[in-house]
Amino acid sequence: ETGVTQTPRHLVMGMTNKKSLKCEQHLGHNAMYWYKQSAKKPLELMFVYNFKEQTENNSVPSRFSPECPNSSHLFLHLHTLQPEDSALYLCASSQVTTGGSYEQYFGPGTRLTVT
Amino acid sequence: TQLLEQSPQFLSIQEGENLTVYCNSSSVFSSLQWYRQEPGEGPVLLVTVVTGGEVKKLKRLTFQFGDARKDSSLHITAAQPGDTGLYLCAGAPGGFKTIFGAGTRLFVKA
Repeated sequence: ETGVTQTPRHLVMGMTNKKSLKCEQHLGHNAMYWYKQSAKKPLELMFVYNFKEQTENNSVPSRFSPECPNSSHLFLHLHTLQPEDSALYLCASSQVTTGGSYEQYFGPGTRLTVT
Repeated sequence: TQLLEQSPQFLSIQEGENLTVYCNSSSVFSSLQWYRQEPGEGPVLLVTVVTGGEVKKLKRLTFQFGDARKDSSLHITAAQPGDTGLYLCAGAPGGFKTIFGAGTRLFVKA
């Protein structure tokens, strides 16, 4: 049990839909992350929030919009996605400390299919 | 571009065999992590190596960090079907941005 939950686990949406992915961490960590995992490609970091402040936006298209209302919750709002956005979206958390190793604790992911 | 290269990409072995997978980079990392991911799930942290030359053991898994902190290896002794999965190495070369290797997909046949 990782202490990071994600909902929904599976999502099918059309290109004109708007949907949101939710992540919650119960580990008391101060940083949260969104990753995209596509077949045969390395995990791609999308966004990082540290103490609710976005510290990394890895050139992600604006059709993906993150929201971090507090250190335990993270959302990824989706709109007008493309079929190539179909992937496993993973949320993770970590405890960031000076000189820390940023060990990531992942949720189970949301399998997204864009039709 | 800082990359973590993992090899082999795919490995299929019989139960009871030994294996080693590698994670290499041209960059120095203050630490590296190893994760295992099973189908339909998120990666699970196995270990973090911090000191150059460090060796850590987790039951039948032995992790080593290179002396120059640019590479790491994972050795599995007497592999079991339960070891099947995607093995990922990861490190944060600076700041909060963690980079991941593409992974080694291991299949252990009973």
